[in-house]
Amino acid sequence: QVQLQESGPGLVKPSETLSLTCTVSGGSISGYYWSWIRQAPGKGLEWIGYIYYSGSRGSSNYNPSLKSRVTISVDTSKNQFSLKLSSVTAADTAVYYCAKQLVLVRNFELWGQGTLVTVSS
Amino acid sequence: QSVLTQPPSVSGAPGQSVTISCTGSSSNIGAGYDVHWYQQLPGTAPKLLIHTNTNRPSGVPDRFSGSKSGTSASLAITGLQAEDEADYYCQSYDNSLSGSVFGGGTKLTVL
Repeated sequence: QVQLQESGPGLVKPSETLSLTCTVSGGSISGYYWSWIRQAPGKGLEWIGYIYYSGSRGSSNYNPSLKSRVTISVDTSKNQFSLKLSSVTAADTAVYYCAKQLVLVRNFELWGQGTLVTVSS
Repeated sequence: QSVLTQPPSVSGAPGQSVTISCTGSSSNIGAGYDVHWYQQLPGTAPKLLIHTNTNRPSGVPDRFSGSKSGTSASLAITGLQAEDEADYYCQSYDNSLSGSVFGGGTKLTVL
């Protein structure tokens, strides 16, 4: 049974880079779409971006509202994918989820439990 | 401002029915992309409730149903129970963003 687990610092200083990793266990990272989604306290869900990897080919796309600050990458040797969000502010404080899609236009069929990242000095 | 529009809140008494709407545009729901619904209990990750407009995953009670028409979709919940009190989100694909979009969420209160 495939499971997702987010990991990374729970506290990041303003202007620094937020870095999170999602470990995929029980299945291959290849051939699926892997996304980061966040939820600010008391707010709704916001899709951050996705990465797709199959064989030697990969692709990614990001929410235009965050595109200039976001990078999502994959490490197939560790069966992990990662999120980097630069120049963070308090507005980036949120629970960050990693999630899996079989097909890009379909539902998120699997979610991690989420990890709270607070941006504060 | 979410790409998909949902009412912020709905409420109903136990046993009653409620409907939650999700309105999109020609670049997402209106373009023919499917709508999916999630239920989120406090402090937990969203749980898939309805996929591909009308389909319930195994284990989801048939009190929950989905529909889609034009640029909108709806989630109907019949026979409300206290355990249904949660936040509900719709999700679709948007071809102008080339990515997923969510509604702003609807808080269901069971009176």
